[in-house]
Order: sequence, then structure tokens, then C-alpha cells
Amino acid sequence: SQTIHQWPVTLVQPVGSPLSLECTVEGTSNPNLYWYRQAAGRGLQLLFYSVGIGQISSEVPQNLSASRPQDRQFILSSKKLLLSDSGFYLCAWSVGAGGSYEQYFGPGTRLTVT
Amino acid sequence: ILNVEQSPQSLNVQEGDSTNFTCSFPSSNFYALHWYRWETAKSPEALFVMTLNGDEKKKGRISATLNTKEGYSYLYIKGSQPEDSATYLCALSRGSTLGRLYFGRGTQLTVWP
Repeated sequence: SQTIHQWPVTLVQPVGSPLSLECTVEGTSNPNLYWYRQAAGRGLQLLFYSVGIGQISSEVPQNLSASRPQDRQFILSSKKLLLSDSGFYLCAWSVGAGGSYEQYFGPGTRLTVT
Repeated sequence: ILNVEQSPQSLNVQEGDSTNFTCSFPSSNFYALHWYRWETAKSPEALFVMTLNGDEKKKGRISATLNTKEGYSYLYIKGSQPEDSATYLCALSRGSTLGRLYFGRGTQLTVWP
């Protein structure tokens, strides 16, 4: 069966510090991978998605970046965090690229920027 | 920006009550409508994916309907139980573009024993 891991679970970082969140998927090959964020009082917002190694599409311009160095690994990074980067970050995967495929979410990372 | 609206924002009901929520979305270029259930301290879990106008899906006490022409979907819970307490999210897919989902803010349901 497929599983998705995210770490860390919680993170408190000062403004201006770097960020690295990691997501890995097991039990499937060539998944589509997604990074979402839920800021306080807002819905889930898609940040990045990837259909293959090294292929990243950005949905929202910001100071975050994503990379996919391996088939089942997706990394979210920032060189300098802003207060507005605080939120709950979710990684997700889907088996197909079409809009009718379910997405399966990881446990999430709660990021607080102080 | 594509607006997917969910109402109500929150709902408190007694155990045994039946309840329903609404998801409204732009009907143009519709592809699929997803419902997710998100319990506190857990990951969002897919409930239904609906693609056809008039679709009705059911899973236990939970069911959903879809009207793509007028742009809404209803989620029903029959005989709510405390374990149904969660945030229910709907998400829209337009066209088949790479699984890009537009999420609403969710309806937070609390079922009191």
C-alpha cells in the first residue's frame, strides 16, 4: 500500500531563516506531487505541483521554491522566511494527472515563523 | 482567482441529527468536484469524486449530489455521530489540467453527544 511521509511535524523558525520541508511517498511510481498551504482562516492553497523528476510548476509567486530530486521525493524550501509563511503545509500525491483523480495527503507540517 | 464557496462555515448539531452543507463553484469549464473530510490532527481524506451532472455518491451515512449546470454540490450526513466531527472540504477541478484542485475553506462540523 502507498504511504506518504512529511517531516518535520512542527517547526518554529525566526523571520529570515531558511526552510526545508520534505515529503516522500512509498509504494507507487511516478506519482504527481503537490505542496499545499493553509494559512490561518483560509482554504488550502496549491503552491507547487510536479509530474516528474525536476519538473516543477508554481501556482503562486512567493519566496518559496520546490524541488523534486527523486521520483518520490518532494522538497519545499525558502532562503528567507517571512511572517506570512506561517501556516500548515500539506504534501499530496495522485496516481494520475487528470482532475478526477483523488489526491492523498500527508500528515502535514505546522510552521510558525516568529 | 477561482472562488469555491462553502456554507455554512461551521455547524454544531446534536448526535442523531441529519445535516447538509453546500459547495458552490463556477460552472464553466467544470471537470470534477471532490469532497474531502479533514479530522483534527489527521490528513484530509477523500470522500467522493464526482464528474457528471446529477451524480449522486454514497458512503455509509454520507452522500453527495452534484449540479454542474448551476454550480453546486450538497453533502449530506444522515444521523450524525460524534465521530463525524471534522472539517469537510470541497475542491473543484476545471479542465483536466494536471489535477489542479481549487479548495473551498471548508465547513467545520461538530457533533455533540
